[in-house]
Amino acid sequence: EVQLVESGGGLVQPGGSLRLSCAASGFTFSTYWMTWVRQAPGKGLEWVANMGQDGSEKYYVDSVKGRFTISRDNAKNSLYLQMNSLRAEDTAVYYCARDKNMDVWGQGTTVTVSS
Amino acid sequence: QSVLTQPPSASGTPGQRVTISCSGSSSNIGSKFVYWYQQFPGTAPKLLIYRNNQRPSGVPDRFSGSKSGTSASLAISGLRSEDEADYYCAAWDDSLSAWVFGGGSKLTVL
Repeated sequence: EVQLVESGGGLVQPGGSLRLSCAASGFTFSTYWMTWVRQAPGKGLEWVANMGQDGSEKYYVDSVKGRFTISRDNAKNSLYLQMNSLRAEDTAVYYCARDKNMDVWGQGTTVTVSS
Repeated sequence: QSVLTQPPSASGTPGQRVTISCSGSSSNIGSKFVYWYQQFPGTAPKLLIYRNNQRPSGVPDRFSGSKSGTSASLAISGLRSEDEADYYCAAWDDSLSAWVFGGGSKLTVL
């Protein structure tokens, strides 16, 4: 069964950092692009970033450029999102999804940025 | 506001056919594939339509997608109560070098 499991969310103060992880199973992780998408409370979906199979290509939404870094470890079948200089507006459920077109989604992990 | 424009709500009665529109521009819908996602409250989104009009396995053929120019539509025929959910369109945007989503449409089955 194809599965994505996010972890690492929590409560962090403005200006703080957090690292999200996404553990993949049930498919050949190293052959897929991977994506992060977030959803603020009561709001719609917002694409955050994606990266290619070998990490050579990465794209970010403008609002996180310079603050967030997407990375992966193909040996561990894992995707990561390092989030620095967090702001209140980064508060959201963060989902990892398989491929550019997001054909499989994890259950999400909640990030709350508040003092 | 979102780069892709969707109506915030849509509704229909059981058995009816409803459509949800998604309007974009030449840098996204006009030149790229459109994708549709279904999301029930408190759960993760699910891919419903890919590459404008293709259904992943397991998605009923009551769901269909289409695209014309810089707009796309999701149609749901034979509406059922379990179709009540939020629906989002999405596409890659060449100008932004980013994926963009519509603001979402909440479907209510009356």
